[in-house]
Amino acid sequence: QLVLTQSPSASASLGASVRLTCTLSSGHRSFGIAWHQQLPEKGPRYLMKLNSDGSHTKGDGVPDRFSGSSSGSERYLTISSLQFEDEAVYYCQTWGTDIQVFGGGTKLTVL
Amino acid sequence: EVQLVESGGGLVQPGGSLRLSCAASGFTFSYYAMTWVRQAPGKGLEWVSAISGRGDTTYYADSVKGRFTISRDESKNTLFMQMNSLRVDDTAVYYCARSGAIVPTILDYWGQGILVPVSS
Repeated sequence: QLVLTQSPSASASLGASVRLTCTLSSGHRSFGIAWHQQLPEKGPRYLMKLNSDGSHTKGDGVPDRFSGSSSGSERYLTISSLQFEDEAVYYCQTWGTDIQVFGGGTKLTVL
Repeated sequence: EVQLVESGGGLVQPGGSLRLSCAASGFTFSYYAMTWVRQAPGKGLEWVSAISGRGDTTYYADSVKGRFTISRDESKNTLFMQMNSLRVDDTAVYYCARSGAIVPTILDYWGQGILVPVSS
């Protein structure tokens, strides 16, 4: 079964870096994913597509501070030089033969 | 500029029906698969349904299979979701999203969302 697992929460200080993790279920480590950002009281926004080899393609207007990487079944979103405006819930998303799947989301707090 | 605009939401009673629309512009609509995603109050994102670019293949989450029907009208560049036998737990903000060339993959553009409260 295709499942994405994310930690419910993360926090980091203003100006620091943070790495969020999305873990693919067993047997799906070759899958690519997408990262999405949802600001408070807003709709989701596509950030990037992230492949299993770590290559990634960002969406329109996504700052250079956002980057992606991969290792085995884990997919990462790294945000550097954290700003208060980065405080949001971050979702990973993938797809199978006849299904699309979301992780539970990670709520990022900027201290 | 890609734009997706949902409409058709509103209060509906349990057991009732509603049809959501999503007007698309700024891209070749027929080339892309499209997806509906929902978000219950205070909860995460839940994939609901998707349709291929040609409209010949549809996909549904188990939670809505047999009750919801996704469709598209290429002449109007519009995506639809017919929702029947609505339940209280269908209450959510519904988003449409563009989801990949031909078959559903990543969601790279989102609409602003439309609220569907199901309550008596």
